[in-house]
Amino acid sequence: DAGVIQSPRHEVTEMGQEVTLRCKPISGHDYLFWYRQTMMRGLELLIYFNNNVPIDDSGMPEDRFSAKMPNASFSTLKIQPSEPRDSAVYFCASSFPSYLNEQFFGPGTRLTVL
Amino acid sequence: DQQVKQNSPSLSVQEGRISILNCDYTNSMFDYFLWYKKYPAEGPTFLISISSIKDKNEDGRFTVFLNKSAKHLSLHIVPSQPGDSAVYFCAASGRGDMRFGAGTRLTVKP
Repeated sequence: DAGVIQSPRHEVTEMGQEVTLRCKPISGHDYLFWYRQTMMRGLELLIYFNNNVPIDDSGMPEDRFSAKMPNASFSTLKIQPSEPRDSAVYFCASSFPSYLNEQFFGPGTRLTVL
Repeated sequence: DQQVKQNSPSLSVQEGRISILNCDYTNSMFDYFLWYKKYPAEGPTFLISISSIKDKNEDGRFTVFLNKSAKHLSLHIVPSQPGDSAVYFCAASGRGDMRFGAGTRLTVKP
C-alpha cells in the first residue's frame, strides 16, 4: 500500500483565495483525520470522519474551514477565503478499526498564505 | 485549552545515554496514550502506545510509563542514538476525543 497520500505537497496562495487540500487514506481504513501543525500550537486535530461521516469537527477554527469525505477513498479540506494566519502544515491521517489505534499520517501539505 | 502538555520544547542528550520525554494530561477520561515520532518534511509515525490498565509498556529501546494518579506519562529511550533525533508527540484519547501535545524536539549528539 502506498500509505496516506496528500496533495499538493506545497501550496502558496494569496490572501482571500480558496485553497483545497486533498487526501487519500489507506485502503480499508475507516477513520480519517485532518490535523494542522504550527509552531505555536503544535499538532491540532481539526476534524475526523468515521465511515465518511464527520464525527467531531470541534477543532475546525472557523467557518472559513470546511471538510468533506464524499467516499471512502477521498477527502478534502477547504479554506475559503484563506488568510495569512492559516499558514501551516496540514496533515491527513487514517486508522482502522478505531480512532484509538495508531494513525498513519500522510506527508503533509505545507500551506503558505501571502 | 491544552489538555495534553509537553512542557519541554526541546531536549538534548549524548549518544548512548537515556532520553526521557515527558507528557502531562488533564482530562481523566483519556484512557489510551500514544507516542509519535516526526522527522522533518515527513508525517508523524507511530512509536509506542499504552492503555490505562497498564503502567508500563516496552518495545526494544523504547519504554512508556504511565502514572494515572499524576496524569503523567513519559517515554524513555535507552540507549539514545543519533537517528532518534526528531520531534516526539504525545497523544491521548478516550470517549471519542483525541489530543496531541505540542511536541518535544530531541537531539541526540554523537
